[in-house]
Amino acid sequence: DTGVSQNPRHKITKRGQNVTFRCDPISEHNRLYWYRQTLGQGPEFLTYFQNEAQLEKSRLLSDRFSAERPKGSFSTLEIQRTEQGDSAMYLCASSSGHNQPQHFGDGTRLSIL
Amino acid sequence: GESVGLHLPTLSVQEGDNSIINCAYSNSASDYFIWYKQESGKGPQFIIDIRSNMDKRQGQRVTVLLNKTVKHLSLQIAATQPGDSAVYFCAEKTQGGSEKLVFGKGTKLTVNP
Repeated sequence: DTGVSQNPRHKITKRGQNVTFRCDPISEHNRLYWYRQTLGQGPEFLTYFQNEAQLEKSRLLSDRFSAERPKGSFSTLEIQRTEQGDSAMYLCASSSGHNQPQHFGDGTRLSIL
Repeated sequence: GESVGLHLPTLSVQEGDNSIINCAYSNSASDYFIWYKQESGKGPQFIIDIRSNMDKRQGQRVTVLLNKTVKHLSLQIAATQPGDSAVYFCAEKTQGGSEKLVFGKGTKLTVNP
């Protein structure tokens, strides 16, 4: 399978804990995106990388959220001191260039107890 | 402001009929539009895209129409099949450097056998 891969698929944690998600993009794609999706809504943009550079961040990305793409390949999204409102599906996408389709993974579903 | 919306939250069709899913957008500066299909528990799956310099684009069983005058986008699915049942999202990208996609809330398509 050469699509976008996300791990883990599900994460259940207690409020206040830190969590980290991983995204492996399509191998030849240099652009990587993180989105968040809550039930019944469309995905909401969080952040965007071109190679290893984080070029765009949404105001949804509070200071408890940090994303990295250290070698320009896989990316991690960390949420510190999780809150109930962080419960959502976290989606990763990648694309090959400007105005090219963003291809999504199947997401990591985060549940905060 | 930026917003992408859908006229109908649900659409029910008979197998074999054609389906039309509509989308209204408000940002006249948007230059790229994309349709996704999302099945339960999965990430959005790319269907078809269109740039603002076009008004129609066809794929396999799908056609996207763009009317920039009234800021309207539609997805036509020919000979709808049960496997087409899913939530469909339109999304737009604004000209001017931002790489984020802005999604609408989605239309749930149900295909009756």
